[in-house]
Amino acid sequence: KQEVTQIPAALSVPEGENLVLNCSFTDSAIYNLQWFRQDPGKGLTSLLLIQSSQREQTSGRLNASLDKSSGRSTLYIAASQPGDSATYLCAAYTGGFKTIFGAGTRLFVKA
Amino acid sequence: SAVISQKPSRDICQRGTSLTIQCQVDSQVTMMFWYRQQPGQSLTLIATANQGSEATYESGFVIDKFPISRPNLTFSTLTVSNMSPEDSSIYLCSVAQVGGSGELFFGEGSRLTVL
Repeated sequence: KQEVTQIPAALSVPEGENLVLNCSFTDSAIYNLQWFRQDPGKGLTSLLLIQSSQREQTSGRLNASLDKSSGRSTLYIAASQPGDSATYLCAAYTGGFKTIFGAGTRLFVKA
Repeated sequence: SAVISQKPSRDICQRGTSLTIQCQVDSQVTMMFWYRQQPGQSLTLIATANQGSEATYESGFVIDKFPISRPNLTFSTLTVSNMSPEDSSIYLCSVAQVGGSGELFFGEGSRLTVL
């Protein structure tokens, strides 16, 4: 059974810092891994999707990597801003339209 | 990408009542899903909404409690029946396209508080 874990559960950093959020999954047989952002009480916004054949994806200040063999993905945020404060979730798609979500990392960027 | 609208965005309900949440997508999509996110928790899949037929429910969720309709490829509803305080959650509609990238898209969510 696929399990997705995110570390740390919460993170507070000063503005301008580069940071890394971690996501691990127990079964390497995934089709893709997706990173989302969620603001309090709101829905999920898709940030990056990495297919199983890819190693990384980039969008602006965000870079996500995928290492299937080790069961890990990281989300790198460059030059963090207060507007980046949110919960970040990773989700592993295992086929059969089953997507397993991590519990998320709550990020707070201090001005 | 798909633009997904959910209504209501939030509501406060009394115990024992039922509430229907609507999900409208701006384009035809193959797959529609309903998720629940309890306070401080991650997302749990309730069911897959199937066009013109009964939804496919995940373990722990039943049709009597969470009836779902999907009359066409752009619209679905989720009803939370006979609510109790334990049903207080964010309910999220999500879509994906068969044969597409596998990317999931979400609506803004419907935040329910049951008193």
